[in-house]
Amino acid sequence: KAGVTQTPRYLIKTRGQQVTLSCSPISGHRSVSWYQQTPGQGLQFLFEYFSETQRNKGNFPGRFSGRQFSNSRSEMNVSTLELGDSALYLCASSLMAAGAIYEQYFGPGTRLTVT
Amino acid sequence: DQQVKQNSPSLSVQEGRISILNCDYTNSMFDYFLWYKKYPAEGPTFLISISSIKDKNEDGRFTVFLNKSAKHLSLHIVPSQPGDSAVYFCAASASTRIQGAQKLVFGQGTRLTINP
Repeated sequence: KAGVTQTPRYLIKTRGQQVTLSCSPISGHRSVSWYQQTPGQGLQFLFEYFSETQRNKGNFPGRFSGRQFSNSRSEMNVSTLELGDSALYLCASSLMAAGAIYEQYFGPGTRLTVT
Repeated sequence: DQQVKQNSPSLSVQEGRISILNCDYTNSMFDYFLWYKKYPAEGPTFLISISSIKDKNEDGRFTVFLNKSAKHLSLHIVPSQPGDSAVYFCAASASTRIQGAQKLVFGQGTRLTINP
């Protein structure tokens, strides 16, 4: 079974631009979560989507948004990029069942550099 | 406020010996704990998890211990192998009012080096 895939793997943008990152979960996984990893802050939760609905959100400004499609693929968008948005953005998918917490499986990440 | 803490940024262990990685948490609502391993330029790889109803879970060379009263968990790797050299993250999750909704809170990671 194919793992979580993320595109693109590397991206360079300038301040003020916007960016869209894409994530395809493991087949059959319906929950997709996004995380930001930086050297100073570690891995921080951005948001989680399930059945095209955002169910959980971390403490990030409104410039960070996402969506999920009917096939469970997800996109994350960052508008008005700032230098501090340079990070590794990780997507994770999980097999969901009512009332249960399942392990999340991560993709390789998208390395975003803002100049 | 760091809810999940890994106080040792690095650990060096001889090949064949036991590696013990520690993690402390402050939020008593956490009821599910996970360990991930991460190589450079790759996403974290799930290793092992434990629910708060248990105090031990074992999978091959990996064992996770949970001490709820101390809000402490540890990962034991026996025997340690050179391929185990990586950064290890512990993560915690709390059941929410929205069934199954997930949010992992990660520690800062411990870099484990296995010396031959």
